[in-house]
Formats: sequence, C-alpha cells, structure tokens
Amino acid sequence: SYELTQPPSVSVSPGQTASITCSGDKLGDKYACWYQQKPGQSPVVVIYQDIKRPSGIPERFSGSNSGNTATLTISGTQAMDEADYYCQAWDSSSNVVFGGGTKLTVL
Amino acid sequence: EVQLVETGGGLIQPGGSLRLSCAASGFTVSSNHMSWVRQAPGKGLEWVSVIYSGGTTYYAGSVKGRFTISRDNSKNTLFLQMNSLRAEDTAVYYCARDKSNGYYYMDVWGKGTTVTVSS
Repeated sequence: SYELTQPPSVSVSPGQTASITCSGDKLGDKYACWYQQKPGQSPVVVIYQDIKRPSGIPERFSGSNSGNTATLTISGTQAMDEADYYCQAWDSSSNVVFGGGTKLTVL
Repeated sequence: EVQLVETGGGLIQPGGSLRLSCAASGFTVSSNHMSWVRQAPGKGLEWVSVIYSGGTTYYAGSVKGRFTISRDNSKNTLFLQMNSLRAEDTAVYYCARDKSNGYYYMDVWGKGTTVTVSS
C-alpha cells in the first residue's frame, strides 16, 4: 500500500517561513494536496493539485511537488496558522492516502 | 450554500452496528464522488470509503467487509453502514465531497459525527 510520511512537528517564529514536507514513492508523479485542521474543526483544503490555492486561502500558502517530496510553504507565518497539516494523494492501489499529519507551532 | 451534515453517531458496544448519514445541500450527491474519512481521538485522518458518481465503491482495508457506503439520490444523502464494530473504529467520522480530474482532493467537509465503540 502507498504511504505518505510527514514530520510530526514543525516550529516557526511569527513572520518567518514554515515548510512542511510530505514524502512518498514517486510522489511527484501524482498530485498532492494539503489540509489545515485547527482543534475541534473539520479539515480545510489549503493547496490542491500540488500548487493551487482555493479561493479564500491566503497567498502566503504555497505548494510544490517533485521527486519523492511535496512541500507546503507558509510565508510570513501568522499565529492563526498554528494547526495540524495533512498531505493527501491518490494512488491506484490504495485510493485516497493521507500523511500522518504535522503539528505546526508558531512561537 | 454548499453544506454537509453528518448524523447517526453514538456509543455502541463492540460487535454492534450503526448507520451514519450525511445530508448534503447546495449540490447533488449523486453527481459527485463522496468519501467518508475518520479521525481517532488524538490521531490523524484516515480515509474510510468512497462512492464514485457512477456508483463504484472502494474501502480501506481496515473496514472492508464490515462497512458499506451507499447513497439515496431522492434524499441527497450519503450513508455509511458500519457492522461488526470494534474499539479501533472509535473516531469522528467526516463525510466529504471529492474533486477529481487527474488530481484528487476533498473540497467540502461536514463537521463530523462521533462514534464510540465501548462496552
């Protein structure tokens, strides 16, 4: 089965750039997306199709995907960006696959 | 407004059955791929099942043979029939609308319904 691996936690200072990685075999050959989930809330997609932002998502959120790694980048990180982030891809053998999630701490 | 509302969660004994419902508004369930995703307490997201717009269904290995996804087009509602429930099925269950066109992601999520499997 296909697996996606994320670091459990990432810390960033306010105003700095946060990068969260998601690794999987030949992930660059698939499309990745990213969800933000705040405590007690449902996930919200912040990046889809590797690099696209849904309407309403701030421009500070960006994505990339190449080789075996997809990356979510948050530029000028704000306190409100503190949340859990999940990557997700689709694989023909496993269908929908989520990464284990990364807790972003803004301190 | 596009919205999904899940109901049907609760406390159930191991081995029991439960049916979750997900009522959609603002769009047509049968015209979309629809998924169930769950999240155990303090854990990450786990995809459970999908029903494609054409009716094909798929399941995660952890629930295959015990859970059944279906929809009622007249009620614009998605269902998840859960049988032979185990303690490890305890989770918040979300329904979501899937977007797929080479890429695949979930653009609308419900607030979730909590299932607790315990004696």
